[in-house]
Parts: sequence; C-alpha cells; structure tokens
Amino acid sequence: GENVEQHPSTLSVQEGDSAVIKCTYSDSASNYFPWYKQELGKRPQLIIDIRSNVGEKKDQRIAVTLNKTAKHFSLHITETQPEDSAVYFCAAIFNAGKSTFGDGTTLTVKP
Amino acid sequence: NAGVMQNPRHLVRRRGQEARLRCSPMKGHSHVYWYRQLPEEGLKFMVYLQKENIIDESGMPKERFSAEFPKEGPSILRIQQVVRGDSAAYFCASSLDRVKNEQFFGPGTRLTVL
Repeated sequence: GENVEQHPSTLSVQEGDSAVIKCTYSDSASNYFPWYKQELGKRPQLIIDIRSNVGEKKDQRIAVTLNKTAKHFSLHITETQPEDSAVYFCAAIFNAGKSTFGDGTTLTVKP
Repeated sequence: NAGVMQNPRHLVRRRGQEARLRCSPMKGHSHVYWYRQLPEEGLKFMVYLQKENIIDESGMPKERFSAEFPKEGPSILRIQQVVRGDSAAYFCASSLDRVKNEQFFGPGTRLTVL
C-alpha cells in the first residue's frame, strides 16, 4: 500500500521567514496531493492541493511543488505569520480512494 | 451551504458499550471518508463510502467496527464493545465525486472510553 513520510516533524521559524515541509510517497499511482492545516482541537482544513499533471501551484503566500519522478512534494510558506502556527499534514491519494496522510509537522512561528 | 456535520461532538462510553458516530456530508457530496486521530498523531484512514456502498475499508479494524452510508440519512460509524484504546478523535470528510475529490472535514467526534 501507499506510504507517506513527512519531514520535519517540528519546525520553528522567525516571523517573516519561509517554511518548507517535505513529503515523499511510495505508490506512483497516487495522483492527488492535498495539504491540510490543523489548529489545536480543530478540524483539518484544506489549504492547497496539487494534481499529478501539474508541477507547481501557488496561492498567495503558499505554494506546493510536485516531483513525480522522485515521488516527493513540498509545501512552501513565505513571509510566515504567527497565525500560521499549526500542525500541517500532507496526503497522497489515488483516484479519490484511500487517503494516506503523513504524520504531520508542527510549525511554530515566533513573533 | 452548511459544511460537514458530525454528532455528537463529544461521546463518553464505558468499556463494553456501543458508540455510534454520525456524519452528514456537505450538500451534494456523495463520498464520505472516516479517519481516526489519536492525541498528537496523524490521521489514519479507516473507510471510504459512497451512497449505499463501501468502496474501501482497508483501514477498518476487522472486529467491532462497521460503517454505513445509507441512501437517506447520515453516514454512521459504529463501534461495538468499546475498549479504552478506542478513545480518539474520529473525523469524517466528504467530497463531491471522483473528479472533484477535495475532501472537506467535519469538526470531529471525540470519543472517551472510561
């Protein structure tokens, strides 16, 4: 089955700096890669996603890149703000089926 | 357009009792996913359902756990004879279809087994 590894498990940055979170997946059939932000005690919220026919996608301060050959994808947050502090999860999905999530990255943005 | 609804939000059960968790998907969504999240851990896939069909239940424990998504009404995750290890947050998510497959999560049900 699919296996998703996410790094780092914790990340601390200064406000205004950039943050990068990386995920690797094992099943080359996976074709949809969402990223979720989860604040303490809250539901995961979709922040950006990318499909296998695209190499990069950007939405304001957030961007995601996908390297299908190497089977890895990354989340980039620029100009970080304290409200970006949360746990971020990546996932790999094949055709809307079973979703495999990474173990999460706890991001702390220090003011 | 209401989001994904789950109830109850908190559920306390004693060992051996049954727990029933309900999930109403977003309006128009016919795909439902259930996940379990232990404290400070990630989301573990349990089951994927469409109306009246279980598509993938590879993440469901073989015993005591079952799920359904009837033609009418919410999706139900049922845990029989609960044990302390079942204590967790259970999230459901819904998506529109296989093409528009973005998953939107409900607020979760926090199950505590005494």
